[in-house]
Amino acid sequence: AQTVTQSQPEMSVQEAETVTLSCTYDTSESNYYLFWYKQPPSGQMILVIRQEAYKQQNATENRFSVNFQKAAKSFSLKISDSQLGDTAMYFCAFMRESGNTPLVFGKGTRLSVIA
Amino acid sequence: GAGVSQSPSNKVTEKGKDVELRCDPISGHTALYWYRQSLGQGLEFLIYFQGNSAPDKSGLPSDRFSAERTGGSVSTLTIQRTQQEDSAVYLCASSLARGGEKLFFGSGTQLSVL
Repeated sequence: AQTVTQSQPEMSVQEAETVTLSCTYDTSESNYYLFWYKQPPSGQMILVIRQEAYKQQNATENRFSVNFQKAAKSFSLKISDSQLGDTAMYFCAFMRESGNTPLVFGKGTRLSVIA
Repeated sequence: GAGVSQSPSNKVTEKGKDVELRCDPISGHTALYWYRQSLGQGLEFLIYFQGNSAPDKSGLPSDRFSAERTGGSVSTLTIQRTQQEDSAVYLCASSLARGGEKLFFGSGTQLSVL
């Protein structure tokens, strides 16, 4: 079974600074998808970024980028120029390639951006 | 609708009562997922539908939990004889029927069992 581990339960960062959230996963599959989801205090889960395992290039979405290390099974999220609105729970998630299978989530990292 | 809709948004019930939670996915999304999120915790997978069938029910915590989906659209999660440990936010998500597609989440139902 796939597992996703987020080793940082809580983090904080000063506004405008850069922060990196860690995620590791365990799988025997070679093709899969990785995601970072954000859950602000309002509770709505929002996709931040998505990575396809067969692509070597790291995904980027504006201020959000990932460092995908397939051999190390690591998928960290970097947030640049942190903004107060980035304050949220961040969940790393894994999905197998074959068909529609459930997203497996990590336990999350609570990020606080401090003014 | 424009997004995944869940109702009710909040439900308070007494221990031992049955509850029904509803999810209306995005039109055209054939995959539908139910997750449970306890306070301050991650998301626990419950069940997944592809169309009206549920190929993966492995996450249902007990036989008190059941779910159905009709017409490839609306899904209902039923919890019988609720217990206090069932208190959580129940999240529904839907996606297109292709591998790796992103999930669109509803705002959840906050269930409180007194």
